Amino acid sequence: EAGVTQFPSHSVIEKGQTVTLRCDPISGHDNLYWYRRVMGKEIKFLLHFVKESKQDESGMPNNRFLAERTGGTYSTLKVQPAELEDSGVYFCASSFSRADQDTQYFGPGTRLTVL
Amino acid sequence: EDQVTQSPEALRLQEGESSSLNCSYTVSGLRGLFWYRQDPGKGPEFLFTLYSAGEEKEKERLKATLTKKESFLHITAPKPEDSATYLCAVQAEVTGGGNKLTFGTGTQLKVEL
Repeated sequence: EAGVTQFPSHSVIEKGQTVTLRCDPISGHDNLYWYRRVMGKEIKFLLHFVKESKQDESGMPNNRFLAERTGGTYSTLKVQPAELEDSGVYFCASSFSRADQDTQYFGPGTRLTVL
Repeated sequence: EDQVTQSPEALRLQEGESSSLNCSYTVSGLRGLFWYRQDPGKGPEFLFTLYSAGEEKEKERLKATLTKKESFLHITAPKPEDSATYLCAVQAEVTGGGNKLTFGTGTQLKVEL
């Protein structure tokens, strides 16, 4: 079974440009999460989808970040316009909803560098 | 606010030299405590979930334990292939089903021959 996949693996853009990251969750997983690690810091939560609905977007840093999950399958995270402090590794994770547990499986990440 | 602190930040062991990694946490109500392994350039790889104090889980040379304030990851007779960053994360009991993980900064383990 394929794991969580993310595209691209790396992206280098200029300040002010737009970048779109994509995440394909494990087939059948209704929960999809976005996390981010900036240099030297811990991995931090950005937002959580249940199917196509945003369950929790409390970690989104500002309105330059827009996440979508049309149709409840893959998700995109757009940063527009990008700023220097947006550099970091963006991870996607997915899980299958169960009342008693929620094990999140992570993708390999997208390394974003804003120059 | 949920908080996770891991120690030590880095650990160097000789092959076969057993040790433990610590994860201290504060959370309003614990739904689960997770251990992940992360290799350079890769995403976190799931190892264990612990749900209640006193629970233990094992996988090969790794054993995770949980108390009401902390978790330990014990590594018995480690091998060089155990070298990685080990991450601890907590998930809080939240009304409405929020499932976000709060991570620590990790322990970077290096096992040498």
